[in-house]
Amino acid sequence: DQQVKQNSPSLSVQEGRISILNCDYTNSMFDYFLWYKKYPAEGPTFLISISSIKDKNEDGRFTVFLNKSAKHLSLHIVPSQPGDSAVYFCAAIVAAGNKLTFGGGTRVLVKP
Amino acid sequence: SAVISQKPSRDICQRGTSLTIQCQVDSQVTMMFWYRQQPGQSLTLIATANQGSEATYESGFVIDKFPISRPNLTFSTLTVSNMSPEDSSIYLCSVGGGGLNYGYTFGSGTRLTVV
Repeated sequence: DQQVKQNSPSLSVQEGRISILNCDYTNSMFDYFLWYKKYPAEGPTFLISISSIKDKNEDGRFTVFLNKSAKHLSLHIVPSQPGDSAVYFCAAIVAAGNKLTFGGGTRVLVKP
Repeated sequence: SAVISQKPSRDICQRGTSLTIQCQVDSQVTMMFWYRQQPGQSLTLIATANQGSEATYESGFVIDKFPISRPNLTFSTLTVSNMSPEDSSIYLCSVGGGGLNYGYTFGSGTRLTVV
């Protein structure tokens, strides 16, 4: 049972344009949602999170939107830069359990 | 946020042998997590390790195959025992980031190839 899903395995975008990554979940008990970026041969790096009681959180070029009724969240990166080329993981957590559940990842390629 | 030193970064092992992966954290943390990322797959939690108690394993993972030690609040090891090629994966440790954003920190990972 995959509780967190990223249906797009890859995304290609031109430098300077917007990257939109999508994530769907099934467990209504999730309290927080997080996005991680992963380069090859490195561990995932935390990017941004959003509480289940909010619908938007912004940090610089990164904005996460949460639609609880649709059980859907998205990460917007604008403007996209070549250094953003990486695999992005959506994750969710039930606070009481303290463990992250990850989606399958989306590989982003930003073309110069 | 915490800084994690994980080693080895990679290894190639013969089937039937065991490998122990170490994670050292630069600060005291209550909970440490061990994940596996199989080729082309997402990260899957193996177990949660608390100091002073036995690790809690997720469904599909057992202590005999993945014994974990947590001797103090800054260190943990994961052993992959009696390895087979199906154990070829990236193994990662993680600790809580503190605060309310749950921005957990990950080690750089151990890329294991079993031949």
